[in-house]
Amino acid sequence: AQSVTQLDSHVSVSEGTPVLLRCNYSSSYSPSLFWYVQHPNKGLQLLLKYTSAATLVKGINGFEAEFKKSETSFHLTKPSAHMSDAAEYFCVVKTSGTYKYIFGTGTRLKVLA
Amino acid sequence: GAGVSQTPSNKVTEKGKYVELRCDPISGHTALYWYRQSLGQGPEFLIYFQGTGAADDSGLPNDRFFAVRPEGSVSTLKIQRTERGDSAVYLCASSLKPTGTSPSEQFFGPGTRLTVL
Repeated sequence: AQSVTQLDSHVSVSEGTPVLLRCNYSSSYSPSLFWYVQHPNKGLQLLLKYTSAATLVKGINGFEAEFKKSETSFHLTKPSAHMSDAAEYFCVVKTSGTYKYIFGTGTRLKVLA
Repeated sequence: GAGVSQTPSNKVTEKGKYVELRCDPISGHTALYWYRQSLGQGPEFLIYFQGTGAADDSGLPNDRFFAVRPEGSVSTLKIQRTERGDSAVYLCASSLKPTGTSPSEQFFGPGTRLTVL
């Protein structure tokens, strides 16, 4: 069975400091992994995806994530937070051969001036 | 071009009533998904259409929920005998047809906020 755990419901960082949003997954077969961002009153937007190619994936707005099979993790990072990064972030897993995307419960990122 | 649109944006109904929620996907997208997002939670998969057929409806919570996509474009999510627990934001997403092990990017609509009184 597939599942995804976002380890922090809320993360606060100061502007200009690094961001780390943690995600662990469980999947029976080769997973595809995604990070989505949801800004207030806006639709979900894809940040990046991993689909069994390079384990370090670069996304939009300076975000990147590293797939670590041994740790079943797919943490999202950004070297320097910007005020506009404040939003809700969702880690998502999809197992090969299925159509079901399983979302985590989300991490709310707050960026302090 | 136009993104995924959903109507209505808000729907308030009374317990026991029937509701229909509409999704207009991006033109040319053959894959369509419905999700439900309750307050403080991530979106929960409901159903996936490839073309006109429901390829996976395992996420529908019970037989009060039904979805159709008769012409392979617009989809309607139908909820019978609504209950207060059905209150949530219902999201629709569309994508190009997934190929092999490489899923296509899903584009999400703004959602319909359903409130059951």
